[in-house]
Amino acid sequence: GAGVSQSPSNKVTEKGKDVELRCDPISGHTALYWYRQSLGQGLEFLIYFQGNSAPDKSGLPSDRFSAERTGGSVSTLTIQRTQQEDSAVYLCASSTGRTKNIQYFGAGTRLSVL
Amino acid sequence: AQKITQTQPGMFVQEKEAVTLDCTYDTSDQSYGLFWYKQPSSGEMIFLIYQGSYDEQNATEGRYSLNFQKARKSANLVISASQLGDSAMYFCAMREAWAQGGSEKLVFGKGMKLTVNP
Repeated sequence: GAGVSQSPSNKVTEKGKDVELRCDPISGHTALYWYRQSLGQGLEFLIYFQGNSAPDKSGLPSDRFSAERTGGSVSTLTIQRTQQEDSAVYLCASSTGRTKNIQYFGAGTRLSVL
Repeated sequence: AQKITQTQPGMFVQEKEAVTLDCTYDTSDQSYGLFWYKQPSSGEMIFLIYQGSYDEQNATEGRYSLNFQKARKSANLVISASQLGDSAMYFCAMREAWAQGGSEKLVFGKGMKLTVNP
């Protein structure tokens, strides 16, 4: 079956612009996660969704970052007024939320802020 | 404090040989899960193997096995019969217990690069 799909695969933007990153999880997966991978910081957790609610937003680095999930499926991560330090690969993962609860990842969105 | 430690920044192995990738972790929880992921140059994180803290047997998945030593807090990945396609970054990760309804986020190590030579 289809895996986790992320779009766009690459995004180049200018400092100060807003960007939206999309994640389409594996069908039937109730849990969805956003992570960020950068050279200096490694892999960092951003936010976790169970259904449409986000019980853990502790990893969002500032109030410029927000995310939503609709219909228990697609999620959008929005970064407002982008800064150069936002440049990174943004990875989305989904899981069943049960038993081993293994997270399966998408290919990521590479964001470059000029 | 670093929760997941991968001390080997890079390793080289000959094709068809076995290789062990080290991972130590730090937690005060009794219930937790340990994971290994592979990230080839294409960038996608590929799940390899899972070990639960209460699992008595070491996990195995094909050519991958996890050498779980709970008292030492280590969860080393063993790849048998290395293949050229195993060249990639490898990440160890942990999921700690959380209150019901809370997060099941993963905490990752810094990763290590494995190169398989022909």
